[in-house]
Amino acid sequence: GDSVTQMEGPVTLSEEAFLTINCTYTATGYPSLFWYVQYPGEGLQLLLKATKADDKGSNKGFEATYRKETTSFHLEKGSVQVSDSAVYFCALILSSGYSTLTFGKGTMLLVSP
Amino acid sequence: DSGVTQTPKHLITATGQRVTLRCSPRSGDLSVYWYQQSLDQGLQFLIQYYNGEERAKGNILERFSAQQFPDLHSELNLSSLELGDSALYFCASSVGQGANYGYTFGSGTRLTVV
Repeated sequence: GDSVTQMEGPVTLSEEAFLTINCTYTATGYPSLFWYVQYPGEGLQLLLKATKADDKGSNKGFEATYRKETTSFHLEKGSVQVSDSAVYFCALILSSGYSTLTFGKGTMLLVSP
Repeated sequence: DSGVTQTPKHLITATGQRVTLRCSPRSGDLSVYWYQQSLDQGLQFLIQYYNGEERAKGNILERFSAQQFPDLHSELNLSSLELGDSALYFCASSVGQGANYGYTFGSGTRLTVV
């Protein structure tokens, strides 16, 4: 079946550090890929997406590139802020046929001043 | 505000009881999804409805059931509750199947079974 694997957390960084959260996937078809963010006590918010190979999704300084050859969708940010502290979820859904959104286990990011 | 409304925000109940969680999807979205989030299992897909009909089932227990009404709001019914059912329950909605835009999530209902 389809699945998403994320690096385990927590990832702890100082403010202004570079962030990478790794995400790889296994899919039976051709997926669309997403990053969601969950701030403490809140629901999941869509952070960015990419629907085809080599697409780059970006939002709020975060970026991720859909790499079909390595089946990856790593999340990056050049300079993190304390306010970025949250749990980040990588997810996929097949773009044809039928499927539902499948999530990785989530990676907690803690940014200290 | 995501546009997906879930009520109640918090629910505390005893083992063996039955509860109903409610979700109103974003305006124009026909699909509603229910997810369970727990520390050990992560985000688990439970069930999907599309325009009133059940479309997909995930890891949903037989003690749990759901439905989507003509006005498109959905209810998740949890019965014979056990301590292990304590979790965050999220509702999400989407335009079509969600491949282009993903899902929009509500803020969740935190269920505590004591």
